[in-house]
Amino acid sequence: GAVVSQHPSWVICKSGTSVKIECRSLDFQATTMFWYRQFPKQSLMLMATSNEGSKATYEQGVEKDKFLINHASLTLSTLTVTSAHPEDSSFYICSAGSGQGSQPQHFGDGTRLSIL
Amino acid sequence: DAKTTQPPSMDCAEGRAANLPCNHSTISGNEYVYWYRQIHSQGPQYIIHGLKNNETNEMASLIITEDRKSSTLILPHATLRDTAVYYCIVRSGGSNYKLTFGKGTLLTVNP
Repeated sequence: GAVVSQHPSWVICKSGTSVKIECRSLDFQATTMFWYRQFPKQSLMLMATSNEGSKATYEQGVEKDKFLINHASLTLSTLTVTSAHPEDSSFYICSAGSGQGSQPQHFGDGTRLSIL
Repeated sequence: DAKTTQPPSMDCAEGRAANLPCNHSTISGNEYVYWYRQIHSQGPQYIIHGLKNNETNEMASLIITEDRKSSTLILPHATLRDTAVYYCIVRSGGSNYKLTFGKGTLLTVNP
């Protein structure tokens, strides 16, 4: 089945640093990838839609200058949390789909980000 | 995308069938019903999807009512590893469309 790989799975860093998270589709090409954030005991909230070769589309309330998204190829999207602060600590999850018919999106295993 | 309503929690005995309901009364003709589950501290896992016909795969069965206003996900023989939050999502076909997650149903499988 379709596999989406996310790296790293766990990050702990100091306040003020930037953190990059990678999302790769391993066995299919993804023109569109999605980035979600999940706080404890809450559901997934879509942050942005990442489009290969063009600018990402951000959901209302998500700071595009803080959460930089790059979708450089059909198999790789990256999310960079710039100047991270403790309130950015969360579980970040990406998803991707092949775009064919009704085929579903598949999700990475998520990245647990902890800012000290 | 149409909104879905699910019970917040359900319990099931190990080895028994788990039947998870979902209401989507405002679903439109071109919208599919997708089911995902999320085990603690992992990304959501795709289970099954359908348009109007019942569907079955190695994980589960999906029963969609004739009017398409509700559906039921059936795990035929629940195991402890099936304990998870189950999300029912209605969306137009095509994986380039975003998914909107509700609160889902926490299924607890008891020994």
